[in-house]
Amino acid sequence: KAGVTQTPRYLIKTRGQQVTLSCSPISGHRSVSWYQQTPGQGLQFLFEYFSETQRNKGNFPGRFSGRQFSNSRSEMNVSTLELGDSALYLCASSLSESSWGEQYFGPGTRLTVT
Amino acid sequence: DQQVKQNSPSLSVQEGRISILNCDYTNSMFDYFLWYKKYPAEGPTFLISISSIKDKNEDGRFTVFLNKSAKHLSLHIVPSQPGDSAVYFCAAFRGTGRRALTFGSGTRLQVQP
Repeated sequence: KAGVTQTPRYLIKTRGQQVTLSCSPISGHRSVSWYQQTPGQGLQFLFEYFSETQRNKGNFPGRFSGRQFSNSRSEMNVSTLELGDSALYLCASSLSESSWGEQYFGPGTRLTVT
Repeated sequence: DQQVKQNSPSLSVQEGRISILNCDYTNSMFDYFLWYKKYPAEGPTFLISISSIKDKNEDGRFTVFLNKSAKHLSLHIVPSQPGDSAVYFCAAFRGTGRRALTFGSGTRLQVQP
């Protein structure tokens, strides 16, 4: 069974631009969660989508948004990029909502904001 | 406000010995705790969890201990193997209401052959 895939793997953007990251979950998984990993803040939960609805949300500003499609694929959008948004963005999928012990992570998208 | 803290950024142990990774939390509303392991260039993988109604959970070489009064949990790896060398994150969440997962900053474990 194919794992969680994330595209693109690497991205360079300029401050003020917006970016969209994509995540394809494991087949049959209906929950997709997004995380940000930075050297300073560590690993932080952004939000979780289940059945096309945002179910849980971390403490991030409204510039960070997401959505989930009917095939469970998810996209994350960051608008008005700031230098501090440079990070590894990870998504994870699971069968059920908030199944944190059964979620599988993708390899991440490395975003660099210049 | 760091609600989950891993105060040791790194730990080095000899192969075959015990590795003890520590984690403290401040939010008494957390009732589930997890440990993840992360290798470079890979996403984290789930290792072991414990709910607040227990004080110990064991899975093979991995044991997690929870001390609710001290708001402290620890992961014991016995015996440690070179393949265990990775970054370990502890995480916590509430079982009801807002179930956002909160992570510690990670501890890099190096197991020396």
